[in-house]
Formats: sequence, C-alpha cells, structure tokens
Amino acid sequence: GEDVEQSLFLSVREGDSSVINCTYTDSSSTYLYWYKQEPGAGLQLLTYIFSNMDMKQDQRLTVLLNKKDKHLSLRIADTQTGDSAIYFCAESLWIKETSYDKVIFGPGTSLSVIP
Amino acid sequence: ETGVTQTPRHLVMGMTNKKSLKCEQHLGHNAMYWYKQSAKKPLELMFVYSLEERVENNSVPSRFSPECPNSSHLFLHLHTLQPEDSALYLCASSQDRQGLHTQYFGPGTRLTVL
Repeated sequence: GEDVEQSLFLSVREGDSSVINCTYTDSSSTYLYWYKQEPGAGLQLLTYIFSNMDMKQDQRLTVLLNKKDKHLSLRIADTQTGDSAIYFCAESLWIKETSYDKVIFGPGTSLSVIP
Repeated sequence: ETGVTQTPRHLVMGMTNKKSLKCEQHLGHNAMYWYKQSAKKPLELMFVYSLEERVENNSVPSRFSPECPNSSHLFLHLHTLQPEDSALYLCASSQDRQGLHTQYFGPGTRLTVL
C-alpha cells in the first residue's frame, strides 16, 4: 500500500545540523515535499524535489532523495530555535484514472531545538 | 500570511450542534481544498473544489458537508459530529489543480467535539 513514515521526535542543539528522515513505499511518486508547521499555524511549504533529482539545496536546507531505498531526508544547517516545529514529508502520486495527483503525508517529526 | 484565512480559529461543539467552518482566499485562485489533520492520523485530503464544482470527495462521512458558493469562499458545514472528528481542519487554495506545491494553506480551525 501507500505509506509515508517518519520518526516522531528529534532534538538538536542550536547551531548543530538537523537531519529529518522519511521513507515511502510507492516508487511511482512524482514529487516529494517537506512542510513546516509551527504551533497554531497552517502548513508552510519549505521545499520540494522532483522524483528524478537526487539533491536540492536552498540556503540552509538540503534535500536528499534516494529512490532505490525510497528515502528522503531534510538537512537543516545551523539549526536555530525558530526552526522548532513539526516537519511533514509528503509524496504525490500521479493517478492516471483521474489525471490528478494523490498526496500522502507522513505523520510529522517534531523538531525541538535546545538553546 | 498566506492569503488564505479561516474562521473561526477555534471551535468547541457538542455532538448535536450544527456549525460551519469558513475559508476565504484573496489570491484569485480557482481551486480550494479541505484537509483534516488529526492527532492519530496523517493529514488527509477531504474535498476538492475546482471552479466551484466539487471534483473530489475522499470517502468523507455525510456529517461533513462542503459548500463553495464562489471561487473565493469555501465552507464546511458540520452536524452531529463525533468526538473522533476533533482535529485541525485546514483549507488550501491553488490556481488550477496543479501539484501540492502550488497550494497555499490557511492557519486552520481547531475543532473540539465534546
């Protein structure tokens, strides 16, 4: 079946790098996404990667995609207290019958940054 | 501020009440979405409206009734809910039904059903 998994909690010290991992089961994904959700707020798109890419870098964020292992990671360099939030991994699957994407979200990883 | 607003931000209701959640987008988009984010399950897409027509309903119980009177407004009417319906309900909008990365999310309505 289609499933996206993440570890639920991660704690890092301010200034260190954070690495949030995600695994998915369906190899036919088109895009993979990382979202950030701060307390009391909606989802903020951080970055996304097309499934034929291995890596994408955007300032402090680095996304690595290993299609063989169906593993996606988000690295946050120089983690700050403002990075404390829940991070969601998601994949989109192209459904030929409907001509639309089906999106599957992971359960989210709660990142705590210790000053 | 994403240009998508939701009211109320918090709602507590009994199982026999009828209430409505409202979403408004100021982005000129033509597609709108309702998502449910509960503590025990990943974020789930509930309904999709495109050009004010419902184009997707993901096996949502009939106690949830969406309405899209125009392309800027989306409602979710609630009646005879269950405690397990307590969740954060997120609205999103996009221009055409492109990928997830084109959707702008509202802040959500935190619903508690007693």
